[in-house]
Amino acid sequence: GESVGLHLPTLSVQEGDNSIINCAYSNSASDYFIWYKQESGKGPQFIIDIRSNMDKRQGQRVTVLLNKTVKHLSLQIAATQPGDSAVYFCAEMSLGGTSYGKLTFGQGTILTVHP
Amino acid sequence: KAGVTQTPRYLIKTRGQQVTLSCSPISGHRSVSWYQQTPGQGLQFLFEYFSETQRNKGNFPGRFSGRQFSNSRSEMNVSTLELGDSALYLCASSLGLGTNEKLFFGSGTQLSVL
Repeated sequence: GESVGLHLPTLSVQEGDNSIINCAYSNSASDYFIWYKQESGKGPQFIIDIRSNMDKRQGQRVTVLLNKTVKHLSLQIAATQPGDSAVYFCAEMSLGGTSYGKLTFGQGTILTVHP
Repeated sequence: KAGVTQTPRYLIKTRGQQVTLSCSPISGHRSVSWYQQTPGQGLQFLFEYFSETQRNKGNFPGRFSGRQFSNSRSEMNVSTLELGDSALYLCASSLGLGTNEKLFFGSGTQLSVL
């Protein structure tokens, strides 16, 4: 059948603002979550991860929040900079042997930061 | 420490041909995973190798295969290429000690099938 391109959500912010990128996941067995940043012509770059026994984790300028009750993940970027412009993906992995190397990715969100 | 290295960066093939892509993982990483990225389907898992053995496989036809060498380097092969195989093929490496590990990606090989 005909393939339909993904219509990625977009987020446009001003330099210096805080950004929040959201992600819903469906697998209640997911135990591990990662946020990746992908710039044009490059592979996904690891940003931050969180395990299901946590609900918040902070990195440098980034915070990931996990709400297992509603199966929701968010990435907060503080003081967003033009260099943060990219596509952001959430990815999930569940426990067990069938999960070796297998991340299930969300569709991605395009973040554009205006100077 | 060098990151994940994929070669070649770009490939152009015609329908019916076959192609081999190469991936060198981060030093010390023994697990290599392969993903296909397309605008229509996003990022999809192909397979994972550890110690020269395939431990996990996604839902792709048998035309997609891979292997891993004793130095952890990996190759993937696509036979009888179809137009729909045009995609960015990404390789990721991790320590391979278990599930729920960080995966680090290379820049990918952009394959165009004409």
